[in-house]
Amino acid sequence: AQTVTQSQPEMSVQEAETVTLSCTYDTSESDYYLFWYKQPPSRQMILVIRQEAYKQQNATENRFSVNFQKAAKSFSLKISDSQLGDAAMYFCAYRSDSNYQLIWGAGTKLIIKP
Amino acid sequence: GAGVSQSPRYKVAKRGQDVALRCDPISGHVSLFWYQQALGQGPEFLTYFQNEAQLDKSGLPSDRFFAERPEGSVSTLKIQRTQQEDSAVYLCASSSYPASATNEKLFFGSGTQLSVL
Repeated sequence: AQTVTQSQPEMSVQEAETVTLSCTYDTSESDYYLFWYKQPPSRQMILVIRQEAYKQQNATENRFSVNFQKAAKSFSLKISDSQLGDAAMYFCAYRSDSNYQLIWGAGTKLIIKP
Repeated sequence: GAGVSQSPRYKVAKRGQDVALRCDPISGHVSLFWYQQALGQGPEFLTYFQNEAQLDKSGLPSDRFFAERPEGSVSTLKIQRTQQEDSAVYLCASSSYPASATNEKLFFGSGTQLSVL
């Protein structure tokens, strides 16, 4: 069975600095998708970034980028120029090409220090 | 509507009571998912609808959980004889694509936080 592990329960960063959140996963599939979602106190999950496993190029969305290491089954999220509004829970999620169910990590709480 | 709407936002139930949680997806969205998020955890899949058809209910934890989407729009998750272990946030998500599509984007509601005393 697929699993997703986020080993950092909490991370803190100074405003305007860069932070990296870690995620590892386990799967025997070759085609799959990885996601980072942000969950603010409003509880609404918001998609931050998505990566297709068949793409070697790392996905980027403005200040958010990933480091996707397929062989190592690692999928970290880098947030540059951290802003107060980035404070939230961040969840890593996995979806295989053959199953639409999202498999989620336990989340990392990101604190931004002003 | 502009987004996925869930109600109520908070629900407190006494153990043994029945509860009904509502999800109003984005208009025209084909796919609708329910997820359960226990405190301090990531969400876990409960069930999936494509229009009015419940195609997957493999994640429902017991036969006390029942979901429906009779007209292919609003969905209701019902929990009978609630237990303390049912306490969680129940998230609904919708998508304009069938779940089998690999380019789907999910839109989540703000969830219902259920507390069973």
